[in-house]
Parts: sequence; structure tokens; C-alpha cells
Amino acid sequence: GQSLEQPSEVTAVEGAIVQINCTYQTSGFYGLSWYQQHDGGAPTFLSYNALDGLEETGRFSSFLSRSDSYGYLLLQELQMKDSASYFCAVRDTYNQAGTALIFGKGTTLSVSS
Amino acid sequence: EPEVTQTPSHQVTQMGQEVILRCVPISNHLYFYWYRQILGQKVEFLVSFYNNEISEKSEIFDDQFSVERPDGSNFTLKIRSTKLEDSAMYFCASSDAGAYGYTFGSGTRLTVV
Repeated sequence: GQSLEQPSEVTAVEGAIVQINCTYQTSGFYGLSWYQQHDGGAPTFLSYNALDGLEETGRFSSFLSRSDSYGYLLLQELQMKDSASYFCAVRDTYNQAGTALIFGKGTTLSVSS
Repeated sequence: EPEVTQTPSHQVTQMGQEVILRCVPISNHLYFYWYRQILGQKVEFLVSFYNNEISEKSEIFDDQFSVERPDGSNFTLKIRSTKLEDSAMYFCASSDAGAYGYTFGSGTRLTVV
């Protein structure tokens, strides 16, 4: 099976930088994804890392270290609208040909002014 | 931007009744999924569908659940005899690239009373 660990809550102020960590345990590895969810709405795809290193998309970056089974999402220049839940996810490795994602429990980010 | 559409947005049903949740995935996507999220908890995988058949399912997806793609556009989740613990937000998702970059619908909030 797989397991993912991420902090339950993070708080920060506008303009700051915040890092949300995710550690995972899987029998195989096919990449780490990040999704954002506002107030129980539709999760939206943020980023995907298959290889080690940093992927940057605007104010958001995502990092992966496969040797450490660890990744993080970095949010820069925080804005109030970034207040949301952030989920890391890995592919379900029970079925090697499968495409299902298994999500972590989510990190609630609260941005204050 | 293409969207995944789910109907209804809210459904209240009595315990033991059958419900059908409907989804219209993005038209050129090939992979379809149902997930659920109990209030305040993580997004849980139910089932994936590819090439007109179930490709994976979780332990949650027991004999009470079924999925169907009755035509070229709709993708439905049926719960035959609802239980109180089926109360959750149900999300449909689709992807053109498997586990990379799902697009989620806005969800159906199912309340079983």
C-alpha cells in the first residue's frame, strides 16, 4: 500500500513564503502530484514531479527527492486567495498499469493580512 | 477552458434508496474517475474507468456501487442502497494522460438521511 504524510495546518501572512512538506511510502513510484482545494470545492491540479529537483510554475514551485521519499510545495508572495487545502498525491501502485491517485490528508493553509 | 460537469450539485436521499450521480467528463479525455470526500477528510479513490471498463477500484467500491458510461459523454456512479455513511462529496475527474493532471468536477454533495 501507500501512505502519505503532510502537516495538517500551516499559517502565514501575506507576502510570505511557505513550504508544505510531504513524505510518502510506496512500493513503486510514479511521480508526486499537488492539488489545491478551496472550501470543499473541486481540487485543482498544481504540479507534478516525476524526477528529482524543482519545478517552477509562477509563484508555486514543487520539489522532489526520490531517495528521501520526500517532496514539498513552495508558495511564494502569498496572497489571501492562497488560503486553501493542499494535497499531495501519488499513483496507486497496487495495479502497475493503473492511473488512480492516492491523496494525502491535506494541509490547510491560512493566509492572514 | 474545458470543464468536468457534475449533476446534481446536491442530493438528499433516504437510507436504502438508490442514487445516480452524473458526470460529463472533458470530451477528449480517456480516463475517468470517481472520488469521495467525507467532510473535513481526505479525498478517497473509489474507481477508475478506461476503455469502457473498470480498470481499478478501491475497497470502498463494493457491490453497492457501480459505474457506467451509457453513451459517449456521460459517466455515472450508482449507489444501490444508500447508507448513512455514504454521505459525502462525490467528485468525478477525467484525464487525458492517466495519473498526470486530473481535472475534477465541482462535486455532488450527497446527504443520506
